Amino acid sequence: DAEITQSPRHKITETGRQVTLACHQTWNHNNMFWYRQDLGHGLRLIHYSYGVQDTNKGEVSDGYSVSRSNTEDLPLTLESAASSQTSVYFCASSESEGDGYTFGSGTRLTVV
Amino acid sequence: AQSVTQLGSHVSVSEGALVLLRCNYSSSVPPYLFWYVQYPNQGLQLLLKYTSAATLVKGINGFEAEFKKSETSFHLTKPSAHMSDAAEYFCAVSPKGTGNQFYFGTGTSLTVIP
Repeated sequence: DAEITQSPRHKITETGRQVTLACHQTWNHNNMFWYRQDLGHGLRLIHYSYGVQDTNKGEVSDGYSVSRSNTEDLPLTLESAASSQTSVYFCASSESEGDGYTFGSGTRLTVV
Repeated sequence: AQSVTQLGSHVSVSEGALVLLRCNYSSSVPPYLFWYVQYPNQGLQLLLKYTSAATLVKGINGFEAEFKKSETSFHLTKPSAHMSDAAEYFCAVSPKGTGNQFYFGTGTSLTVIP
């Protein structure tokens, strides 16, 4: 069965370190998205991609970057982790406009 | 800018009672509309979606939602709550022509009282 997987599920890192969160989907979806979930804010868009070599900034992109070298993967990198980036991160994919997202199970990141 | 308002961050209902979770959006053009459910420590799961076909949309687990253009609303209902319905519910909109970008509400936590 097709799926979307995120790794790691939990991560603790120190302030200032570079961190990469993985997202891998086998749906063959062109569209991939990264969101962060925080209490009182719902989900906020960080970065998104519509295909290989395409990346775009979302609402809260400062301090984050992504790259899309193939259809299956959209890794999210925190260049220099900050305590404000402690959050739960969700990756999602979709086929086309009007389709719902398929979400990964999330990565809980703690920056100490 | 697109906004999604979910009235009531916490809703409690008795088992067997009607569930009503409210969602309003701001858009002059009806967007695509979605409801998602999130169980503890899990990702979001699609409950149902409105894509400009029938205004009453049926989803999984007995949930349904009605699109009302005049009220810019897309409220989620279930006739009889079950203990397993306890979860966080998110309303989301995707404006047409934006490449499937979603805007999420802040969520409603549903508690079901035995």
